[in-house]
Amino acid sequence: KAGVTQTPRYLIKTRGQQVTLSCSPISGHRSVSWYQQTPGQGLQFLFEYFSETQRNKGNFPGRFSGRQFSNSRSEMNVSTLELGDSALYLCASSLNRNTEAFFGQGTRLTVV
Amino acid sequence: GQQLNQSPQSMFIQEGEDVSMNCTSSSIFNTWLWYKQDPGEGPVLLIALYKAGELTSNGRLTAQFGITRKDSFLNISASIPSDVGIYFCAGQEKGTGTASKLTFGTGTRLQVTL
Repeated sequence: KAGVTQTPRYLIKTRGQQVTLSCSPISGHRSVSWYQQTPGQGLQFLFEYFSETQRNKGNFPGRFSGRQFSNSRSEMNVSTLELGDSALYLCASSLNRNTEAFFGQGTRLTVV
Repeated sequence: GQQLNQSPQSMFIQEGEDVSMNCTSSSIFNTWLWYKQDPGEGPVLLIALYKAGELTSNGRLTAQFGITRKDSFLNISASIPSDVGIYFCAGQEKGTGTASKLTFGTGTRLQVTL
């Protein structure tokens, strides 16, 4: 069974631009969560989607948004990029909302 | 954002030694998870714990869910070079609002010398 797939693996953007990251969960998994990982803050929860609805949101500004499609694939978008948005963005999929999460390899975003 | 207290922060050990790390929280969790992360990769799930007091093994790894539901520990026996990496604990609350949100520990960086 294929794991969680995130694309692209690496991305370089300029301040002020916007970016869209993609996540394909494990087949059959319905819950997708996003996390930001930085050296200073560690792994921080961004948001969770289940059945195409955002179910939970972390403490991030409105520039961070996401969505989930009917096939459970998810995208997250960051608008008006800031230097501090440089991070490893990780997607995790779960069979349901209360089951263990499996992570993708992440997208390394660098904002210059 | 919130992070769980994980210790030690880093450790250098010799191949063959046993390793122990723990994670504490001020909040109660209903699930504890342990992950290992290699550089540039996503965390890989090692062990999941679902009940207070539960002791679970996965090969050379053993983890326990603390009785108070506010802590967990991970032991690695007879360490080998491929155990090198960063180990994270993660707590998961239960409830319709926060069921899927994981709160992560600060990580333990393990380095194994021959």
